[in-house]
Amino acid sequence: EVQLVESGGGLVQPGGSLRLSCAASGFTFSDHYMDWVRQAPGKGLEWVGRTRNKANSYTTEYAASVKGRFTISRDDSKNSLYLQMNSLKTEDTAVYYCARIYSSFGYMDVWGQGTTVTVSS
Amino acid sequence: QPVLTQPPSASASLGASVTLTCTLSSGYSNYQVDWYQQRPGKGPRFVMRVGTGGIVGSKGDGIPDRFSVLGSGLNRYLTIKNIQEEDESDYHCGADHGSGSNFVWVFGGGTKLTVL
Repeated sequence: EVQLVESGGGLVQPGGSLRLSCAASGFTFSDHYMDWVRQAPGKGLEWVGRTRNKANSYTTEYAASVKGRFTISRDDSKNSLYLQMNSLKTEDTAVYYCARIYSSFGYMDVWGQGTTVTVSS
Repeated sequence: QPVLTQPPSASASLGASVTLTCTLSSGYSNYQVDWYQQRPGKGPRFVMRVGTGGIVGSKGDGIPDRFSVLGSGLNRYLTIKNIQEEDESDYHCGADHGSGSNFVWVFGGGTKLTVL
């Protein structure tokens, strides 16, 4: 079964850091681009960023709202995706999802169940 | 980059049909858009991609034949026929823009579909 499972969410103070993980199974993780998407309480989806695969040099792209504060990485040997979040702000409070990119067309064809990050003092 | 606009809410009676709309901002009429379904308390689920020629690629896993798409001008439509209780969800549209270091992904605000 193709599956993505996020973990690492929690409560953190403004200015703090947190690292999210996404464990992939049931497919060849190393072949795929991977995205992070978040959803603030009661709001719509917001794209956070992307990591490409080894064939594309593991390059990353970020939304303007998180650029310079968040870093996406991956460990293909562990079938895992990561999101390092620094200098957290209250507006980063959200459920964070990882999503697989379907190679041929570029849409997000598999999603995890999400992990909740709350930034509050 | 494009802006995607969705009405915040829609409703339909059990067994009826409903069409949800995602409108691209001016100048982006050739863009393809993805539809995602999000049931209460769950993660999003890919429905299908739509361009001006209709569906692009395949439907997401387990998406029934009752779901179809159409694209016209700046609008991308998702139609659900014979609505069931399990169709009550938030529906989000999204599109990618740019390439390389200029790549971004944008989402609409989502439409909450209520089944009456």
